[in-house]
Amino acid sequence: NAGVTQTPKFRVLKTGQSMTLLCAQDMNHEYMYWYRQDPGMGLRLIHYSVGEGTTAKGEVPDGYNVSRLKKQNFLLGLESAAPSQTSVYFCASSYGQGSYNEQFFGPGTRLTVL
Amino acid sequence: SQQGEEDPQALSIQEGENATMNCSYKTSINNLQWYRQNSGRGLVHLILIRSNEREKHSGRLRVTLDTSKKSSSLLITASRAADTASYFCATPTPSNNNDMRFGAGTRLTVKP
Repeated sequence: NAGVTQTPKFRVLKTGQSMTLLCAQDMNHEYMYWYRQDPGMGLRLIHYSVGEGTTAKGEVPDGYNVSRLKKQNFLLGLESAAPSQTSVYFCASSYGQGSYNEQFFGPGTRLTVL
Repeated sequence: SQQGEEDPQALSIQEGENATMNCSYKTSINNLQWYRQNSGRGLVHLILIRSNEREKHSGRLRVTLDTSKKSSSLLITASRAADTASYFCATPTPSNNNDMRFGAGTRLTVKP
């Protein structure tokens, strides 16, 4: 039982490049989330999904796209990376709605955009 | 925008002492959660307290919630060096129970 895993762990991009971050969970959770964490600002929700095939915007969705083609996977894409997207990205999942249920977090992906 | 804000930003104590961290929030909530983050790791859920609960315990953790003051506190008793971490409170936004807002956290250092 691996919980929530994220790929890759580290990545350096040049401005304008694209990439996809992969999140996988093996707990059969319906809900999945992508957050970014910046120094002194806590976590901010980028996008989330309440089930396979669904996605919704969070607090800071601009510049990101997501897909949930399979229940266990939640992908975060950056189409044209900008230095402002330098951050640590965390994926999380929960059995039910985030406010009523424990969220399980992955180990994070540290992204640097030059 | 942040819904919850932790206080203090940083706290340094000796092993065996108690640590108290506070969280204030802006709007009415159904519940509040506390999470811990060790350096370089993902967050780990500690406790969820509902709006109709005033206090909740889990091992050495004690969480209180005062909805009239829109505040919560996390007490760690008999702290250990392994408790060194950042602690975050999280509350839902008023219009979306899937959108949890995390504060900037309290950085706790427990010296052996």
